[in-house]
Order: sequence, then C-alpha cells, then structure tokens
Amino acid sequence: EAGVAQSPRYKIIEKRQSVAFWCNPISGHATLYWYQQILGQGPKLLIQFQNNGVVDDSQLPKDRFSAERLKGVDSTLKIQPAKLEDSAVYLCASNPRGAGGNEQFFGPGTRLTVL
Amino acid sequence: GDSVTQMEGPVTLSEEAFLTINCTYTATGYPSLFWYVQYPGEGLQLLLKATKADDKGSNKGFEATYRKETTSFHLEKGSVQVSDSAVYFCALSPTGNQFYFGTGTSLTVIP
Repeated sequence: EAGVAQSPRYKIIEKRQSVAFWCNPISGHATLYWYQQILGQGPKLLIQFQNNGVVDDSQLPKDRFSAERLKGVDSTLKIQPAKLEDSAVYLCASNPRGAGGNEQFFGPGTRLTVL
Repeated sequence: GDSVTQMEGPVTLSEEAFLTINCTYTATGYPSLFWYVQYPGEGLQLLLKATKADDKGSNKGFEATYRKETTSFHLEKGSVQVSDSAVYFCALSPTGNQFYFGTGTSLTVIP
C-alpha cells in the first residue's frame, strides 16, 4: 500500500513570495490533516479535512494560508505571502475516517525555508 | 483543553542502556494515547498506541502503559540501540479525530 505522498520535499523562497505544497493521502482515507512543525517543536495542526469539507481550521492563519481538497482526495496548502516565521516542515497526514483510536499516517514532509 | 507534556531532551544514552521518556496528559474523557517516532529526514511513524486505561502498547522492544490514575503514558525500552536514535513524540486523541502532540524528545544512542 502506497503511503502519504508529498511534494516538493524542499523549498526555498524569499519573504513575500508565494508557495504551494501538495499532498496525496493513502487511498480511501477520508480524513486529511496539514501540520506545521517548527524546528524543535511538535506538529501543530493547521487544518483538517473530512472528505472535501473542512472540519477544523481554527489554527490556520487565514490572512496568508489557504488549503483545499476539492475532490476529497489530494490537497494543496498555499502560503501567500510568506514570512520568515513560516520556515518549518509542513506535514500531511491521513487516517481512514478520523475516529478516535485510529493512527495517523504521515508523509515525509516539505521543508520550507523563507529567506 | 487537551494537551500533552513530554520530558524535555535531548537524551543521550550508551548502547544497551535503559530508556524512559516521560509523558503526561490532560484530557476530558478517555483519549487514545500514542507514541510516534521521527527518524532524521523522515516523517512521523506510529511506534505504539493504547486506547484504554491499563492497556500496554508495545513495538520493537518499546513499551508504554496507559495509566489513568497518574494520567501518564511513559515510553520505556530495556536496551537501546544506535538505530533507536530519533525524536519521540507523545500524542493523544480524544474521542473524535483531533490529535495533540508533545514537543518531542530527542534521543541519541552512542556505541
């Protein structure tokens, strides 16, 4: 079974530029998560989708971050414009239906450096 | 609100030493508890989990017991190897679909 795929793996941009990350979850997984992991910290949830609907985006900085999962499968996270403090690893995760007790399956992450 | 507190690192051990990484949690209800591991340059992987009080999760020689009375889920391994060097995250999931992660504990095992 293929795992969670993410691209690109690395991205370097200058502040005020835009960037987009892509995630393809495990086939059949209804729930998809985007996390931000700043160096030395644990993952922080940015947004959670159930199929193509948003379940929780309370910690998403909506003035600059946006995300979509139009067909309930793959997802895109965008930052526009980027700030220095956005430098982090962006992790995508999925699980079958988001019920308690189910593990999350993580992709390898995209390491973003904002100069 | 729900949260996880992990022992701060970094932790450095000699090969074959005993490992304990402490984790305590705050939650309403009966959350599921997890330990994830992140090897250098990789994403998080589930190491073990426990879904109810007194359950013991185990995998690859690691163990953790869900202790409701002390709200703890400490990670232990009797004899660590160099290949265990990684960052370990404690996490909880309430009866729903949200996950809360600790800040991570970096472990380095030296030969």
